[in-house]
Amino acid sequence: QSALTQPASVSGSPGQSITISCTGTSSDVGNYNLVSWYQHHPGKAPKLMIYEGSKRPSGVSNRFSGSKSGNTASLTISGLQPEDEADYYCCSYAGSNTWVFGGGTKLTVL
Amino acid sequence: QLQLQESGPGLVKPSETLSLTCTVSGGSINSNSYYWGWIRQPPGKGLEWIGNIYYSGNTYYNPSLKSRVTIFVDTSKKQFSLKLSSVTAADTAVYYCAGYLTAQGVFDVWGKGTTVTVST
Repeated sequence: QSALTQPASVSGSPGQSITISCTGTSSDVGNYNLVSWYQHHPGKAPKLMIYEGSKRPSGVSNRFSGSKSGNTASLTISGLQPEDEADYYCCSYAGSNTWVFGGGTKLTVL
Repeated sequence: QLQLQESGPGLVKPSETLSLTCTVSGGSINSNSYYWGWIRQPPGKGLEWIGNIYYSGNTYYNPSLKSRVTIFVDTSKKQFSLKLSSVTAADTAVYYCAGYLTAQGVFDVWGKGTTVTVST
């Protein structure tokens, strides 16, 4: 069970859109529709942003969207705002009641 | 509103056993909607799933940690706990407890995390 692969960092200016990729394998991301995304501000509890690949929990801005193609899931944030600056983690079910996270991506809003 | 709070020693010596407890409030630990889990974040690294437990006691562990991990639940105290044996500096991390909502397949509630340092 290896960690999902995310870019270490991405950046964008306010109002722009960015996409964070999350690459796994056919044993996790590619085999289950159970990819979730979490926003993590240092020192705080991670917050669920996307579940089942593309669904938003109540209260999460529609600027956040998710998708999946093959073994790669993606999180897109449109209309970047300063408060979006945080670390973002993907997570996938990996079978046999196990879960795997990505290495995390630091989003900088320029 | 469901809330989780981690507690336990912040410093553990190498080769000893790390022990943490998570207290559940604002909801039932006996809920059949949730598994209860532990996740950690070493300094400068990403999140790592450690394991989950159901209120009935069924446990599921990360294969890479399975030989050293025990998770158990005390429903009378509304707590679940983590024990990690034979710790090394590599086990230094922020440890989070979390609730896994089975209907959506997500960790939808998290504690604020507790820092554990392994050092002499």
